[in-house]
Amino acid sequence: QLQLQESGPGLVKPSETLSLTCSVSGGSVSSSSYYWGWIRQPPGKGLEWIGNIYYNGKTYYNPSLNSRVTISADTSKNQFSLILTSVTAAETAFYFCVRKQVTIFGLIDYWGQGILVTVSS
Amino acid sequence: DIQMTQSPSSLSASVGDRVTITCRASQTISRYLNWYQQKPGKAPKLLIYGASSLQSGVPSRFSGGGSGTDFNFTISSLQPEDFASYYCQQSYSNPGTFGQGTKVETK
Repeated sequence: QLQLQESGPGLVKPSETLSLTCSVSGGSVSSSSYYWGWIRQPPGKGLEWIGNIYYNGKTYYNPSLNSRVTISADTSKNQFSLILTSVTAAETAFYFCVRKQVTIFGLIDYWGQGILVTVSS
Repeated sequence: DIQMTQSPSSLSASVGDRVTITCRASQTISRYLNWYQQKPGKAPKLLIYGASSLQSGVPSRFSGGGSGTDFNFTISSLQPEDFASYYCQQSYSNPGTFGQGTKVETK
């Protein structure tokens, strides 16, 4: 059974960099069948796709964040990471790492439990 | 980006009720429409993919339909564990945008 687990600081200062890691167990980030991605959700609000990475290192980023976001993978540790620079208070949110199918309608079949990141001084 | 308009934003219902939620895409997305359930403090859970296919392990009281731009999601007989928020998501093109959600509350 696949499991995803987010880790990282729960508090980030405005204008600084948010950095999160997703550890994958029961599956491999090197699989060509999936994308590995990040989605965020401000408390009490809706869901926003941040971006994803494919096994060959190809990435997609939401254009609304494009210049500030980087997603990378470490296949030796079976992890992938999110870096978001110059954060603001409006980016306080639950950050979820997810697995998205390449085929099968691009469904998201696994989610991490989510990690709350608060942006505040 | 493709905009997803979900309605209603909330509804009140009783156990045993039939509940229907609609989702409209700003452009055609074929059948690339998925439905998720989210309970407070938890990650979303996939219920329906490809507009009408039931994810493995999901009860048959959940169903979905539609294609193109108009989609629907139905709970045939609401159970106590179904009080939650529901989101549609298009996976036709990046970014995979979500509807704003529907909160199903007890009447």
